Amino acid sequence: DIQMTQSPSSLSASVGDRVTITCRASQGIGNYLAWYQQGPGKVPKLLIYATFTLQSGVPSRFSGSGSGTDFTLTISSLQPEDVATYYCQRYDSALALTFGGGTKVEIK
Amino acid sequence: QVQLVQSGAEVKKPGASVKVSCKASGYTFTGYYMHWVRQAPGQGLEWMGWINPNNGGTNYAQKFQGRVTMTRDTSISTAYMELSRLRSDDTAMFYCARGGAATALVMDVWGQGTTVTVSS
Repeated sequence: DIQMTQSPSSLSASVGDRVTITCRASQGIGNYLAWYQQGPGKVPKLLIYATFTLQSGVPSRFSGSGSGTDFTLTISSLQPEDVATYYCQRYDSALALTFGGGTKVEIK
Repeated sequence: QVQLVQSGAEVKKPGASVKVSCKASGYTFTGYYMHWVRQAPGQGLEWMGWINPNNGGTNYAQKFQGRVTMTRDTSISTAYMELSRLRSDDTAMFYCARGGAATALVMDVWGQGTTVTVSS
């Protein structure tokens, strides 16, 4: 089974900082990678799918990149409302969808 | 607007079963997959499986096969997830989530979650 590993598991950054979260697949998954944001006590929200396609309504400071096994979610200028845990999800196979372990983002 | 409304919190004893409902509105229920995701307290997201409301076809994560059953009632635009032989480590929040318009395997609308507590 393909494993999804996120790093770091948590980070603290200042408002306005550029933040980068990495997701690594144990095998190649093409560009079948999505990112979700879950604010404290909130329901998960889809941010990005197909590696870099922004879901409607998601601020443009969020972007995704990568392919194969290595993927990145970038927040170009961290805002207070971005405090959340971020999850990647592979969907290269309809039979086994897997989330990464999550990256918790806090404000310094 | 597109909305998924889940049933209320449940408290169950070990060995029992729980059935969670997810009522869809604002879109054509049979046109989109429905996924179920589990989140234990303080833990990450865990995909449980999906159902195709159009034909009732299902696919379950290997971890839950034999214990989970996903069904739907198209007449009331409602999906169900039943988990049997509950254990204490099944205590979690359970979410239904719609498979996206762009791809059925990405979850673009989520229910509010249903808390299931398993305790003797």
